[in-house]
Parts: sequence; C-alpha cells; structure tokens
Amino acid sequence: DVKVTQSSRYLVKRTGEKVFLECVQDMDHENMFWYRQDPGLGLRLIYFSYDVKMKEKGDIPEGYSVSREKKERFSLILESASTNQTSMYLCASSLGLAGVGQFFGPGTRLTVL
Amino acid sequence: GENVEQHPSTLSVQEGDSAVIKCTYSDSASNYFPWYKQELGKRPQLIIDIRSNVGEKKDQRIAVTLNKTAKHFSLHITETQPEDSAVYFCAASIRGDRDDKIIFGKGTRLHILP
Repeated sequence: DVKVTQSSRYLVKRTGEKVFLECVQDMDHENMFWYRQDPGLGLRLIYFSYDVKMKEKGDIPEGYSVSREKKERFSLILESASTNQTSMYLCASSLGLAGVGQFFGPGTRLTVL
Repeated sequence: GENVEQHPSTLSVQEGDSAVIKCTYSDSASNYFPWYKQELGKRPQLIIDIRSNVGEKKDQRIAVTLNKTAKHFSLHITETQPEDSAVYFCAASIRGDRDDKIIFGKGTRLHILP
C-alpha cells in the first residue's frame, strides 16, 4: 500500500513567518504534488515535481516555493506566511505521468494568524 | 489550459437510489479522467478512473462514462449506501506530457438520506 505522510496535521503560524510543510512517500513515485483545498474551490495545484530537483508551477504558485532534494521528499515553503494562506494543504504522489492514480497524504491544516 | 466544471455542487439522494455527478472539460487532448472520494476529515482517495480510449468502466456499484465528443464524463453510483456520503472530485489530465498537469473540479458533496 502506498503511504504518503505529511509532517504535521495542524499548524499555527504568525504572519511573516517562514513555514515548511514536508511530504514523504514510500513507493518510489516519480511525481509529487502540492495542493491547497479551500471550501467551494476544490483542489488547486500549487507546484508539482516529476523528478528530483525538478519543479513546475501549478495554478497558484504565488507566495510558495518547493524543494525536492530526494525522490521521496517534497517540501512546500511559505517564505513569508500571510493570512490568506490559511488553508488545508494536501500532498500527493503518483507513479505515472500527469498525475495518473494519485495517492494523497492526510493533509496539513495551516492557520496563519 | 484545461478547465473542469463539476455539477452539482451538492446532491442529496435517498438511500438505495442512484446518484450521478457530471463533469465537463475544455481541452480535447485530455485523456485521463479520475474520480476521487473524500470523506469528512480524510484524504481524497481514488475510486475509479477512465482513459479516453474507453467509453465506460464499472467497478461494483460505481461506474464512469465518458463522452469525448461532448467532452463530458459522469460518475454513477447505484444502490447508494450511507458510507457513500462524501465529497467527490472529478479531474482531467493529459497523459504523456510531463509538463502538463491534472485539473480538479470543485467537488460535489453527496448526502445519502436514510
């Protein structure tokens, strides 16, 4: 069974803080994704990576950056957190291209005060 | 780029009846269409998917149909049960292109009424 884990389930940060969200998958998947989920807006792609050290912008990359130094780990970074980044953040991984058969992590609910 | 519209946003169905959720997509090159189910407080999970070379796929009480000409695809749940209550997301993507990405619909909240 594919396992995708995220470093925190709940996180509270202050405006201006630098925030790191970590995601780890244990199935040797090439592709990893970061989404944010907001009520009424569904899942919106922030960034994805199809290989180590490779990254591609999604639909809403502004205010975020990512890092993929190892195949199993994909980090989402909020350089200077703002209140409009309060959201549920979901990481996913997949073996196939274009997100075929994605497996999601449990999510991190981030609150920025 | 791809755009995915999903309807309805909320659906209430009597237990035992069928539920249908519909999605449309804009990019005719899209060729992979997964459906995810997200129960309250849990992560989205893939429940069924279909590729563009197939018109219909079935897995027990769940089926997905694809109409490439009209660019729409639908999720059908028959003999609904209380555990079917969840938010369902459709998505569309183009396989084989590393630079492309999967686009999700906004979700449908399905309530199964006792």
